[in-house]
Amino acid sequence: GENVEQHPSTLSVQEGDSAVIKCTYSDSASNYFPWYKQELGKRPQLIIDIRSNVGEKKDQRIAVTLNKTAKHFSLHITETQPEDSAVYFCAASKRGPSGGSYIPTFGRGTSLIVHP
Amino acid sequence: DSGVTQTPKHLITATGQRVTLRCSPRSGDLSVYWYQQSLDQGLQFLIHYYNGEERAKGNILERFSAQQFPDLHSELNLSSLELGDSALYFCASSVIQGRGTDTQYFGPGTRLTVL
Repeated sequence: GENVEQHPSTLSVQEGDSAVIKCTYSDSASNYFPWYKQELGKRPQLIIDIRSNVGEKKDQRIAVTLNKTAKHFSLHITETQPEDSAVYFCAASKRGPSGGSYIPTFGRGTSLIVHP
Repeated sequence: DSGVTQTPKHLITATGQRVTLRCSPRSGDLSVYWYQQSLDQGLQFLIHYYNGEERAKGNILERFSAQQFPDLHSELNLSSLELGDSALYFCASSVIQGRGTDTQYFGPGTRLTVL
């Protein structure tokens, strides 16, 4: 099955710095890569996603890059703010056996701490 | 607020018991996914239903079962509970099956504690 490795497990930055979180996946059939932000005690919330036919996607201070050949994708957050502090999960998704479901395999998460 | 609701918010029970977790998807969403989040295993996909039919199974134990009803709400049944079943259980809903991307909206979760 799919295996997703996520690094680092903890990332501490100063406010205004950039943060980069990296994930690698093993199954070349994965073709949809969402990123989720989860604050303590809250639900995971989708912050950005990318499909395998796209190399990069940006949304304000957040960007995601995908290298299909190397099977890795990264989340970039610029000008970090204290409210960016949370756990970030990457996922690699592929179609399930029925052809309709997108089955995600999640990374173990990165705890991002932004110091004021 | 994602529009996905889950009840109950917290559940405390004993080993060997059976519990039912409920999820109501966003209005119009036909897909419901169930996930388990624990410190040991991280966030794991359990099962997916689309419009009342089971579509995919992940790491779901045989002691666990789910169903989706005609009104599209879903229930996750956990039986013969063990200490290791203590976790946060999330459901997520999405608009439509197989559109190339599958933006999933998570509910607030049910925290299950097995004593």
